[in-house]
Amino acid sequence: DTEVTQTPKHLVMGMTNKKSLKCEQHMGHRAMYWYKQKAKKPPELMFVYSYEKLSINESVPSRFSPECPNSSLLNLHLHALQPEDSALYLCASSWGGPADTQYFGPGTRLTVL
Amino acid sequence: KNEVEQSPQNLTAQEGEFITINCSYSVGISALHWLQQHPGGGIVSLFMLSSGKKKHGRLIATINIQEKHSSLHITASHPRDSAVYICAVDQTGANNLFFGTGTRLTVIP
Repeated sequence: DTEVTQTPKHLVMGMTNKKSLKCEQHMGHRAMYWYKQKAKKPPELMFVYSYEKLSINESVPSRFSPECPNSSLLNLHLHALQPEDSALYLCASSWGGPADTQYFGPGTRLTVL
Repeated sequence: KNEVEQSPQNLTAQEGEFITINCSYSVGISALHWLQQHPGGGIVSLFMLSSGKKKHGRLIATINIQEKHSSLHITASHPRDSAVYICAVDQTGANNLFFGTGTRLTVIP
């Protein structure tokens, strides 16, 4: 199984809502990533979990809160988002760190109204 | 200044043409990745390189560490190759990937 799954595929939320994005992989990978991608731009790294511990937080606003309940699951909790947070949110995993091949999920397209 | 520069930004080719996409970077790296992103978002990792050359089907990737340059070649291009191709580098010691801005390839039948 070389698949990274993400749910939901699409999410529309208001600025006062609380929602969560989910990511799952069963490849035994020890690193998992959240990326944000705006239209026609490359992905921007938000968070890296390595061995279930947050190792990089690229100064992301606190309205985004990551959680790694176990080595197969990665969540991104969203609260009080702004319209400019609308983007494609991609999850990825790799065996080790970023030097290893990353496997990407299909993404969640988020729209904040 | 971007650590990773790609060229061209946009490329249109006729089916069957040989295609080259270039990537230059300015930092020391552990590895360089070529990624493919189709409309709709999904990203597929095509190659991971730290030296030399790799081939997979009609795709060939090369890297010159001394010149800090990599190329992605597509032979006998096909409309299904239409996608955005992204170069990303793992900077030595940074534990992070730096992405190029991507090359949008359109292959016309």
